[in-house]
Amino acid sequence: NAGVTQTPKFRILKIGQSMTLQCAQDMNHNYMYWYRQDPGMGLKLIYYSVGAGITDKGEVPNGYNVSRSTTEDFPLRLELAAPSQTSVYFCASSSSQERSYNQPQHFGDGTRLSIL
Amino acid sequence: KQEVTQIPAALSVPEGENLVLNCSFTDSAIYNLQWFRQDPGKGLTSLLLIQSSQREQTSGRLNASLDKSSGRSTLYIAASQPGDSATYLCAVRGGATNKLIFGTGTLLAVQP
Repeated sequence: NAGVTQTPKFRILKIGQSMTLQCAQDMNHNYMYWYRQDPGMGLKLIYYSVGAGITDKGEVPNGYNVSRSTTEDFPLRLELAAPSQTSVYFCASSSSQERSYNQPQHFGDGTRLSIL
Repeated sequence: KQEVTQIPAALSVPEGENLVLNCSFTDSAIYNLQWFRQDPGKGLTSLLLIQSSQREQTSGRLNASLDKSSGRSTLYIAASQPGDSATYLCAVRGGATNKLIFGTGTLLAVQP
């Protein structure tokens, strides 16, 4: 009953370091998403993917990169960490079956990232 | 540009009260509106999804309504319990981007 799994749960980085946030889902969903949530704010879409090999930018993509080599995994990479990237990162997935826009998104528990 | 607003930002009620959370959006061209619950340190749990053609959805003590023309949705929680304490987020899908656009949430505290 895993659903969407994110690792790590917490991380502290120094400015300029790089890291990859991992996301995996076991529901055979084609659609996957990365969001960030800043304190007191709603979620903002960073990148999304509609299937393996296909990714596209969301609302706030600068400073991030993604890849989608398999249906299950959708890692998010920070190349040069900056203090402005301190946030909670959520991965989500949804089904691409008929009327996919009416399918609910399923979320992981998040990765809490601090850049110091 | 779609903007989603939730009022109030925080709400504290005694156990047993019925309460209403509000969500408003600026672009009525939406596919659906979703209500989520977020517990501290956790991800989002989908509570209700209302399609654009629907007026309301119900799940247990929760009832969500949608008025597309006025750009409003409400989440009604009946007979509130301390376990209902969480942040409630609404999100709309559709408009120019066809992506989920989130409100900033309402932090609910139900006092025993």
